[in-house]
Amino acid sequence: KQEVTQIPAALSVPEGENLVLNCSFTDSAIYNLQWFRQDPGKGLTSLLLIQSSQREQTSGRLNASLDKSSGRSTLYIAASQPGDSATYLCAASGSARQLTFGSGTQLTVLP
Amino acid sequence: DTEVTQTPKHLVMGMTNKKSLKCEQHMGHRAMYWYKQKAKKPPELMFVYSYEKLSINESVPSRFSPECPNSSLLNLHLHALQPEDSALYLCASSQAATASLSYEQYFGPGTRLTVT
Repeated sequence: KQEVTQIPAALSVPEGENLVLNCSFTDSAIYNLQWFRQDPGKGLTSLLLIQSSQREQTSGRLNASLDKSSGRSTLYIAASQPGDSATYLCAASGSARQLTFGSGTQLTVLP
Repeated sequence: DTEVTQTPKHLVMGMTNKKSLKCEQHMGHRAMYWYKQKAKKPPELMFVYSYEKLSINESVPSRFSPECPNSSLLNLHLHALQPEDSALYLCASSQAATASLSYEQYFGPGTRLTVT
């Protein structure tokens, strides 16, 4: 059974700092890995999707990488802003056509 | 347009009530999902519909009854719920849900359900 872990559980950084969020998964037989953002009490906003054949995806200040062999993905946020404060979730899609979510990293960017 | 809409935004119901949650998408997606999310926990999959047919039921109690009347609409009928069922209920859709292909899932804003 797939297990997804995100470290750290919470992170607080000053505005302007570059940061990396980590995601690890136990079963490397994934179809894709998706990063989401969730604001308190809200739904999930898809940030980036990396297919299993890809190594990375970029969108604006966000860059996500995928290393299937080591079971790891990272989300890099450049020049962080207070508006980036949210919980970031990664989710792995496997053969059961289901997304397995990590528990998330709660990010606070201090002005 | 990558929007998934959900109604109502908030719902308070008693344990003897019957209510329904509604989800709609107009992206032409053929897979739709219901998730349950408790506070400070990740979403947990409840049901998957693929081409309007129920393809996955994650051992959800029968007091939750999903329905997919057409490819754009997904309902979740609620009856005789328990206080522990209080949670954020999220709907999602994707282009398809086949075993060999995997597509990006788009989520709605959720319905905050409180059972009293």
